[in-house]
Amino acid sequence: GQNIDQPTEMTATEGAIVQINCTYQTSGFNGLFWYQQHAGEAPTFLSYNVLDGLEEKGRFSSFLSRSKGYSYLLLKELQMKDSASYLCAVRDPGANNLFFGTGTRLTVIP
Amino acid sequence: KAGVTQTPRYLIKTRGQQVTLSCSPISGHRSVSWYQQTPGQGLQFLFEYFSETQRNKGNFPGRFSGRQFSNSRSEMNVSTLELGDSALYLCASSSPGTNKETQYFGPGTRLLVL
Repeated sequence: GQNIDQPTEMTATEGAIVQINCTYQTSGFNGLFWYQQHAGEAPTFLSYNVLDGLEEKGRFSSFLSRSKGYSYLLLKELQMKDSASYLCAVRDPGANNLFFGTGTRLTVIP
Repeated sequence: KAGVTQTPRYLIKTRGQQVTLSCSPISGHRSVSWYQQTPGQGLQFLFEYFSETQRNKGNFPGRFSGRQFSNSRSEMNVSTLELGDSALYLCASSSPGTNKETQYFGPGTRLLVL
């Protein structure tokens, strides 16, 4: 089976750095995705990791450790518009569908 | 390129009715996946269609079905609606062999069953 855990809610201050963790237990591994979802909107793709290490893309970075079943999403220089849910998802081995965690609702405060 | 589109955006039905939702993928994308999103369960995979064939299926009852047309547009159908089917239904399209087969989501159809 697949199990993905993320914190339910986090709060951080504008301009700060926040790290959102995701742990997973899956039968096989075929890539990990992070999506951002604003309330009432579609999830939008942020990052993809399939090898261990850090992937940096502007203010957003994502890290993966396959041996530990662990990933994190790092958001730097937080802006108010970063208030959203952040979804961690792993791809089913040998298939294209994604298994999602329940998401982390991030609130950025002034 | 236009993104994934879904119609209708909102729908209200009563128990026992059936509903059909539509999804048009990004141009050139041949894979369409459907997900159900609820506050308690998060995003759960329903099924995936590729080249008009169901390629993969999640753990949902047979009341949930889908199909894909030759132009890659997809529909999903839910028969004998139950209150618990109230959810946001999202479709996502991807293109095998490109950009890590990233799935791009449409805006969703919000279904309310009364």
